[in-house]
Amino acid sequence: AQSVTQPDIHITVSEGASLELRCNYSYGATPYLFWYVQSPGQGLQLLLKYFSGDTLVQGIKGFEAEFKRSQSSFNLRKPSVHWSDAAEYFCAVGAPQKLVFGQGTRLTINP
Amino acid sequence: GAGVSQSPSNKVTEKGKDVELRCDPISGHTALYWYRQRLGQGLEFLIYFQGNSAPDKSGLPSDRFSAERTGESVSTLTIQRTQQEDSAVYLCATRRTVSYEQYFGPGTRLTVT
Repeated sequence: AQSVTQPDIHITVSEGASLELRCNYSYGATPYLFWYVQSPGQGLQLLLKYFSGDTLVQGIKGFEAEFKRSQSSFNLRKPSVHWSDAAEYFCAVGAPQKLVFGQGTRLTINP
Repeated sequence: GAGVSQSPSNKVTEKGKDVELRCDPISGHTALYWYRQRLGQGLEFLIYFQGNSAPDKSGLPSDRFSAERTGESVSTLTIQRTQQEDSAVYLCATRRTVSYEQYFGPGTRLTVT
């Protein structure tokens, strides 16, 4: 069965610091992988996606993620966070028709 | 409109009452999803519509939950005899057939008292 684990429920980083949000998945085939961001009171917005090819993918807002098949991971990174990055981040895996979402990681930014 | 819209944005109802939530998809998006997001939780898949095909209802938690969609138009999610555990944000997402990206609406926050 498909599953997604985001081990960190809440992360706090200082503005300007680097960020890595972890995502591990279980899937029977080569997965489609996604990261979404949910700002307070808003719907989810797609940050980036991986289907095949280069395992390092670039997304919007300066985010990137790396697919590591051997570790079943798809971690999200940003070299320098901004206060506006404070939000909930969701990793998702599956076929396009149906995604399984992780529990989310809440990111807090210290000034 | 430019995006997925949902109404109402907030709904407070008494236990035992029925509620109906509405989702207006992006024009041309053939696929439509309903998710439930409980406080502090991830998204829980409820139901998926693809064009005129039979919907995938595998995520509906009980027979109190139902949803309808005609073609590529508006969808309604109905919860009958609401319970307190139904309190959550209900999110709608739509997708074009040839795309993998789901576009989400802002959600309806349901509170059952």
